[in-house]
Amino acid sequence: AQSVTQLGSHVSVSEGALVLLRCNYSSSVPPYLFWYVQYPNQGLQLLLKYTTGATLVKGINGFEAEFKKSETSFHLTKPSAHMSDAAEYFCAVSPNYNNAGNMLTFGGGTRLMVKP
Amino acid sequence: DTEVTQTPKHLVMGMTNKKSLKCEQHMGHRAMYWYKQKAKKPPELMFVYSYEKLSINESVPSRFSPECPNSSLLNLHLHALQPEDSALYLCASSQGTVNTEAFFGQGTRLTVV
Repeated sequence: AQSVTQLGSHVSVSEGALVLLRCNYSSSVPPYLFWYVQYPNQGLQLLLKYTTGATLVKGINGFEAEFKKSETSFHLTKPSAHMSDAAEYFCAVSPNYNNAGNMLTFGGGTRLMVKP
Repeated sequence: DTEVTQTPKHLVMGMTNKKSLKCEQHMGHRAMYWYKQKAKKPPELMFVYSYEKLSINESVPSRFSPECPNSSLLNLHLHALQPEDSALYLCASSQGTVNTEAFFGQGTRLTVV
């Protein structure tokens, strides 16, 4: 069984500061890993994903994440926060075998607040 | 077109009503999904359709009945719901069933009274 843990249900940063959102997963084999963002009353938008290959993944809006197998982590970072980054962020995993579909298992979410 | 369109955006229904949620995509995706999201919680997978066949049902109560009439459409039929079923229902689609990005709709906010 897979699970995802996001450390910190709320993270507050100042505009221009580094954003670091933490995600750890538990899986018997390395899963596929995703970060999604959700704005109020909206659906989810994919920021980035890791499947295979390069462990540093770049996504949209200046976000990136690094897959660290030894630490079972996939933390999301952005060098400089913008006010528009304020939203809920979800880390998710899906099994990496055929017919699994995008059976996403989500972490509990982290609400990012950006102070002016 | 990279959109997943869900209708209606908001729905209020009584516990004896029958209603349906609709989801449509025109990206040629062959997998479609229903997720349920309670307030301040992550989405939870309900159903997965792969090539128009139900492949996964995550032990969802029978008062929720999915239907995939064709490869572009996904419905969720609702009957005899309970107030605790009030939530945001999200539809998603992906090109395949492995290693492909899931696109989400904006959801239907359901309130059961």
